Amino acid sequence: NAGVTQTPKFRVLKTGQSMTLLCAQDMNHEYMYWYRQDPGMGLRLIHYSVGEGTTAKGEVPDGYNVSRLKKQNFLLGLESAAPSQTSVYFCASSLQVMATSGGYQETQYFGPGTRLLVL
Amino acid sequence: AQSVSQHNHHVILSEAASLELGCNYSYGGTVNLFWYVQYPGQHLQLLLKYFSGDPLVKGIKGFEAEFIKSKFSFNLRKPSVQWSDTAEYFCAVKGGGSQGNLIFGKGTKLSVKP
Repeated sequence: NAGVTQTPKFRVLKTGQSMTLLCAQDMNHEYMYWYRQDPGMGLRLIHYSVGEGTTAKGEVPDGYNVSRLKKQNFLLGLESAAPSQTSVYFCASSLQVMATSGGYQETQYFGPGTRLLVL
Repeated sequence: AQSVSQHNHHVILSEAASLELGCNYSYGGTVNLFWYVQYPGQHLQLLLKYFSGDPLVKGIKGFEAEFIKSKFSFNLRKPSVQWSDTAEYFCAVKGGGSQGNLIFGKGTKLSVKP
């Protein structure tokens, strides 16, 4: 049981190049997320998915696209990389359960991150 | 909109000192509350979480947090820190409904001097 894995671990791109980051989870979680982490900014949500075939925008979606063709995989694409996209990217997955007391409970589990440098 | 505020950007302590990191959030309804820790060069790991019930929750490595609903706070505590606790700590909040995203604070960097 590997949990959440991310590929690649590190990448250098030139401005204008494209790339795809892969996130995979083996916990059968419905929900998956892509975040970026920048110094002093915490984590900001880029896009997320509540199930296979569905995606939605988060707080900072511009310049990124995502796809969730299989339940276990969530891909993050950069069509034309910019220096402002230099960041560490984290994927997370979760299962949302209804609490007996009402409401929903959800814990996100994070992957190891992908460090991206755009020159 | 929901927001999470962590009061301290950088905390420096000596080993054996007590730790309290502040976290306040703005959200009026039921919440899921979390503290994550990120050791240097590593990914986020769940330290502890609160969904409901006893407002004092215990996590891994001797950490605990107290949910005070009236103050919209979820402060993290540890009675005696170790050098190995040097890391960045993130408070995060999610509304208890089925919708809504996990909102992170900007993080508090903890440096423990041996």
